[in-house]
Amino acid sequence: AQSVTQLDSHVSVSEGTPVLLRCNYSSSYSPSLFWYVQHPNKGLQLLLKYTSAATLVKGINGFEAEFKKSETSFHLTKPSAHMSDAAEYFCVVSGSGSARQLTFGSGTQLTVLP
Amino acid sequence: NAGVMQNPRHLVRRRGQEARLRCSPMKGHSHVYWYRQLPEEGLKFMVYLQKENIIDESGMPKERFSAEFPKEGPSILRIQQVVRGDSAAYFCASSPKSLQETQYFGPGTRLLVL
Repeated sequence: AQSVTQLDSHVSVSEGTPVLLRCNYSSSYSPSLFWYVQHPNKGLQLLLKYTSAATLVKGINGFEAEFKKSETSFHLTKPSAHMSDAAEYFCVVSGSGSARQLTFGSGTQLTVLP
Repeated sequence: NAGVMQNPRHLVRRRGQEARLRCSPMKGHSHVYWYRQLPEEGLKFMVYLQKENIIDESGMPKERFSAEFPKEGPSILRIQQVVRGDSAAYFCASSPKSLQETQYFGPGTRLLVL
């Protein structure tokens, strides 16, 4: 079984400052990990994914995440926040084989202050 | 290439009525997943289907809920005799035949039970 813990339910940053959204995972095998973003009343958009290749994963809109096996973490970062980044972010782990459902964290609401 | 399509986007039902939610996967995708998002929560897996087969329904409530993905046409999530607790956003995702793990999400159907 796999699980995901997002350590902060809300994060506020000022525009132009760095963003850090924290995620820890638990998995009994080599996981696939994802970050999805959800804007209000919209569907989910894939930001980036890790599938056992490079540990530093670059995604869309300037986001990136680093897979650290020793810390079981997959934190999402961005050097400079933009107002349009305000949204809910979900850290997600994928099952394997026939159990390919995604397990979602509880989400982190990112607020970007002007 | 059109994305995952869901309809209706919003659905209002009275207690005891039936709700029928439709999902058309991306072109070339034969794996469909349904997730439910309750207010202020992350998405929870419900069911995973391939054409004409239910692969994993471990997240589906045992009563009133059913899903299908026929050979022709969209996937259908059916909720019979809806109750207020069924009010939620229901998201469909699809992935390609190649067992690639990335799931692409539709915009969701927001069900409100009065």
